[in-house]
Amino acid sequence: RKEVEQDPGPFNVPEGATVAFNCTYSNSASQSFFWYRQDCRKEPKLLMSVYSSGNEDGRFTAQLNRASQYISLLIRDSKLSDSATYLCVVDRGSTLGRLYFGRGTQLTVWP
Amino acid sequence: SQTIHQWPATLVQPVGSPLSLECTVEGTSNPNLYWYRQAAGRGLQLLFYSVGIGQISSEVPQNLSASRPQDRQFILSSKKLLLSDSGFYLCAWSHKNEAFFGQGTRLTVV
Repeated sequence: RKEVEQDPGPFNVPEGATVAFNCTYSNSASQSFFWYRQDCRKEPKLLMSVYSSGNEDGRFTAQLNRASQYISLLIRDSKLSDSATYLCVVDRGSTLGRLYFGRGTQLTVWP
Repeated sequence: SQTIHQWPATLVQPVGSPLSLECTVEGTSNPNLYWYRQAAGRGLQLLFYSVGIGQISSEVPQNLSASRPQDRQFILSSKKLLLSDSGFYLCAWSHKNEAFFGQGTRLTVV
């Protein structure tokens, strides 16, 4: 089983739509969870951390379910500029900052 | 603020040639440093990580090596490149488990 699994998509949605991405992880010792965004041919950049209580940043909402080892990202009112690949990232349960990256979910928002 | 520099941005190398990619970090001391590779259509694979000068851990057996000659310098090398070494190489440093990436080097081995 892979450490982090994501639906690769692609997701093609119109502007204004709400879209949700899901991710599962296998290491129950993981403590830190993130969503990264990667634009085509660019480096990944941190979108948001994911906290146990769930957290929101503008149009983006992240949820964590430790019991199910499941992470989600919800994007409301999609913009053209949201088109990118979204990477689910989980730490390895150590203090050394080693991270597992999912393969990413590709999103295209069309006008 | 912290910045991470990685070069070159693109590189085309023949099979069997050597490789040296350099990464430097500014604005922080004693960072954890990482080399990742992203092959076409695949996820990020951790190649090496370092917690200090001269301390290198390899995640997967491969044709590559890494060195950390200075606190904020991380180098990825190969003596003889293979076609399968092609990919997008990313250097990163971490703080509290958050990773910050350089702009990457797109390597094509021909």
